[in-house]
Amino acid sequence: NAGVTQTPKFQVLKTGQSMTLQCAQDMNHEYMSWYRQDPGMGLRLIHYSVGAGITDQGEVPNGYNVSRSTTEDFPLRLLSAAPSQTSVYFCASRGDTDTQYFGPGTRLTVL
Amino acid sequence: GDSVTQMEGPVTLSEEAFLTINCTYTATGYPSLFWYVQYPGEGLQLLLKATKADDKGSNKGFEATYRKETTSFHLEKGSVQVSDSAVYFCASRMDSSYKLIFGSGTRLLVRP
Repeated sequence: NAGVTQTPKFQVLKTGQSMTLQCAQDMNHEYMSWYRQDPGMGLRLIHYSVGAGITDQGEVPNGYNVSRSTTEDFPLRLLSAAPSQTSVYFCASRGDTDTQYFGPGTRLTVL
Repeated sequence: GDSVTQMEGPVTLSEEAFLTINCTYTATGYPSLFWYVQYPGEGLQLLLKATKADDKGSNKGFEATYRKETTSFHLEKGSVQVSDSAVYFCASRMDSSYKLIFGSGTRLLVRP
């Protein structure tokens, strides 16, 4: 099992550019989520999905879109990047147990 | 709304010292409680959990007891090692929700 994988590891964007952060898991987990981590603020939930075709907003969804066409993949799209979106992004998945498995993260800088 | 508060860091200790990282929660019911650890450059890993009052979670020498009376879940370790240097996150989750609520994290630095 590869667990939860994320690409890219690092990304630099200019204001207004768009990009997609990729997330995949091979554990057949129904629940997947995206968090952003900012200094002194812990992890904040952006969007989550409880299964293919089902997504919902978390705590800080503005500026981000998600889709869940398969159980394995849960990409996060930035439509028009802003400096306030500079952060470290983590994808996570959870199966029937209470354990969330986190990916290694994507460090995004928006200039 | 529900929230988790943990002590600010950084916490700097010498090897073999005793560690306590405080965590308190607010919730409308009785959530499950977790401690996650993040080593440098990595994602978060579950360290331990407790699902009901008076439960004690333990792993790798770390312990935390779910205290309903004080709404707390403090993390302790009797003798820390340099390899324990990391950021520790307390988190809660209501049974009726998929969402984890995280504290702001506490950085631990253990010096030889």
